[in-house]
Amino acid sequence: NAGVTQTPKFQVLKTGQSMTLQCAQDMNHNSMYWYRQDPGMGLRLIYYSASEGTTDKGEVPNGYNVSRLNKREFSLRLESAAPSQTSVYFCASSRGLAGGPGRTDTQYFGPGTRLTVL
Amino acid sequence: GQQLNQSPQSMFIQEGEDVSMNCTSSSIFNTWLWYKQDPGEGPVLLIALYKAGELTSNGRLTAQFGITRKDSFLNISASIPSDVGIYFCAGQLWSTGNQFYFGTGTSLTVIP
Repeated sequence: NAGVTQTPKFQVLKTGQSMTLQCAQDMNHNSMYWYRQDPGMGLRLIYYSASEGTTDKGEVPNGYNVSRLNKREFSLRLESAAPSQTSVYFCASSRGLAGGPGRTDTQYFGPGTRLTVL
Repeated sequence: GQQLNQSPQSMFIQEGEDVSMNCTSSSIFNTWLWYKQDPGEGPVLLIALYKAGELTSNGRLTAQFGITRKDSFLNISASIPSDVGIYFCAGQLWSTGNQFYFGTGTSLTVIP
């Protein structure tokens, strides 16, 4: 049971290049998330997918696209990388809030992808 | 988005001392979570809280869901060097769907 896995672990891009960050979870979770973490800024939500087949913008979606490929996998794409996208990217998953009153939810994180855009 | 104010920003303590940190929000949350992040790693869940007033322990860590539902507290007793890291609070609002909102973190340094 690996939890949340992310690939690659490290990546260096030149301005204008594109790439896709991969994320998979084996906990049968409904919801998945992409965050970026910059020094002193905490975790900021880029996009999330409340359930398979849906995606929604978070706080900082500009310059990114996402695909919820199936229940397990949620990818993040940078179409034309910019130096401002240099960051650490975390994928997370949670069971989600389906189930009515008294529902509880907990979020688990992957190990992160360290991206540098030159 | 929702703002979570986490304090203190950083702490430098002697090994063996107790630690307290807290998170406050202008909104009522339904869930509070506390995470620890080591350098170069992803955040690891420490404690989850789901009811106002709830007090939950995980070893030397104790967290509480504030009565007003707008705050949460994390205490670490008898700190040890491996407690070093950044601690984050996170809250979830049912009214905004499945989103979680994060504090900016408390950096803890333990001096042996």
